[in-house]
Amino acid sequence: DADVTQTPRNRITKTGKRIMLECSQTKGHDRMYWYRQDPGLGLRLIYYSFDVKDINKGEISDGYSVSRQAQAKFSLSLESAIPNQTALYFCATSDWGTSGSDEQFFGPGTRLTVL
Amino acid sequence: GESVGLHLPTLSVQEGDNSIINCAYSNSASDYFIWYKQESGKGPQFIIDIRSNMDKRQGQRVTVLLNKTVKHLSLQIAATQPGDSAVYFCAETYYGNNRLAFGKGNQVVVIP
Repeated sequence: DADVTQTPRNRITKTGKRIMLECSQTKGHDRMYWYRQDPGLGLRLIYYSFDVKDINKGEISDGYSVSRQAQAKFSLSLESAIPNQTALYFCATSDWGTSGSDEQFFGPGTRLTVL
Repeated sequence: GESVGLHLPTLSVQEGDNSIINCAYSNSASDYFIWYKQESGKGPQFIIDIRSNMDKRQGQRVTVLLNKTVKHLSLQIAATQPGDSAVYFCAETYYGNNRLAFGKGNQVVVIP
C-alpha cells in the first residue's frame, strides 16, 4: 500500500464550487504539506503543518484553506474554485526530527480542473 | 503527467550515455539540497541529497555535485536508461527553515 494517498485522483468542477482534496499517510510523520504544480513551473507551497495544532501559510495560500484532522490526515479546501486553480496538487510528508533530513515523501497527486 | 514537462529545459540523451542536469539555486544561506525525479503521472521521488559541508555525493548511478561559490548544483546520471526519462527538480533549504524551495525542473528524454 502507498504510504501517502490522495483522494480524489482527478476532479472536474465548476467555478464557485467548494472542493476538498484529502491526504492520508501511514508513515507516522508529523509534517505534512500541500503543493500545487503548473505546467513549466516547479512545486509551489500552499500550506504546511508540523503537527495537529500547527498550520502555516505557504507562498500561495490565497483562495485555499486546510485542516489537519489528525496526524495522518491533512485536507486542502478551495472554498470557491476559480479556473486559475486548475493544476496538479500534491500532498507530502516529512519527519525532520528522526531522519535529520527534510526529504519529503509525495503522494500521487490530484489533477483538478475548474471550468 | 506529461503537461508537467511543457516549457521546461529539455535534455535529450542517448541510452547508455551520461546525463548532466544543472540547477542554480538562489539562497546563499541554503545548506541542504535534494534532487527529485518526477515521472509522468506520478509525484516527485527522492533521488539523492547533499549538505553544504560536502562537494560531492554518490548514489547508485547518480552523483550530485555542489559548488557553493557559484550557487550551482548538478546531478549526473551514469549510463542513462529509458526509465530515467522524467522531470528532475532540485530543492533547497537551510537549517531552521523547515520548508523546501523547488526549482522549475529539467526534462530528460532518453532516446533508445
